[in-house]
Amino acid sequence: KQEVTQIPAALSVPEGENLVLNCSFTDSAIYNLQWFRQDPGKGLTSLLLIQSSQREQTSGRLNASLDKSSGRSTLYIAASQPGDSATYLCAVSSQRDDKIIFGKGTRLHILP
Amino acid sequence: DTAVSQTPKYLVTQMGNDKSIKCEQNLGHDTMYWYKQDSKKFLKIMFSYNNKELIINETVPNRFSPKSPDKAHLNLHINSLELGDSAVYFCASSQEGNYFSPLHFGNGTRLTVT
Repeated sequence: KQEVTQIPAALSVPEGENLVLNCSFTDSAIYNLQWFRQDPGKGLTSLLLIQSSQREQTSGRLNASLDKSSGRSTLYIAASQPGDSATYLCAVSSQRDDKIIFGKGTRLHILP
Repeated sequence: DTAVSQTPKYLVTQMGNDKSIKCEQNLGHDTMYWYKQDSKKFLKIMFSYNNKELIINETVPNRFSPKSPDKAHLNLHINSLELGDSAVYFCASSQEGNYFSPLHFGNGTRLTVT
């Protein structure tokens, strides 16, 4: 059964720093991995989608990597800003049962 | 110009009532989903529909019934509401099922059962 874990559960960093969020999954049989952002009281916004054949994707200050064999993904945020404060979730699309499995998220707080 | 819209945003009701949550997407996607987010912020899939046909039905109580009149709409009807049904429910859509396209989520419906 696919399980997705995100570490740390919460993170506070000063504005301007670069940071890395981690996501691990137990079953490498995935179609893709997706990173989302969730703001309080709002829906989820898709940030980056990495297909299983890809190693990384970049969008602005965000860079997501995927190492399928080791079951790991990282989300790198460069030059963090207070507006980056949110909960970040990763989700994998499982080949075995055609489901999208979410981690519990990392609550990020950027200190101004 | 919202891509995935859910109504209502907030829903407060008493135990035993029947309620519905509506979801519409204007992205032309083939697949729509309902997710439940519990108090610990854990998102879990409930249902998935592809072109109006049910393709995933997780082990949710049969008090929950999805209805898809067309591929742009997936409504969630809940009978005999219980306290444990209190949660935030998210609708989502994607193209080509799980495989290659990002999920787009609605803003969620916060259901409170008293």
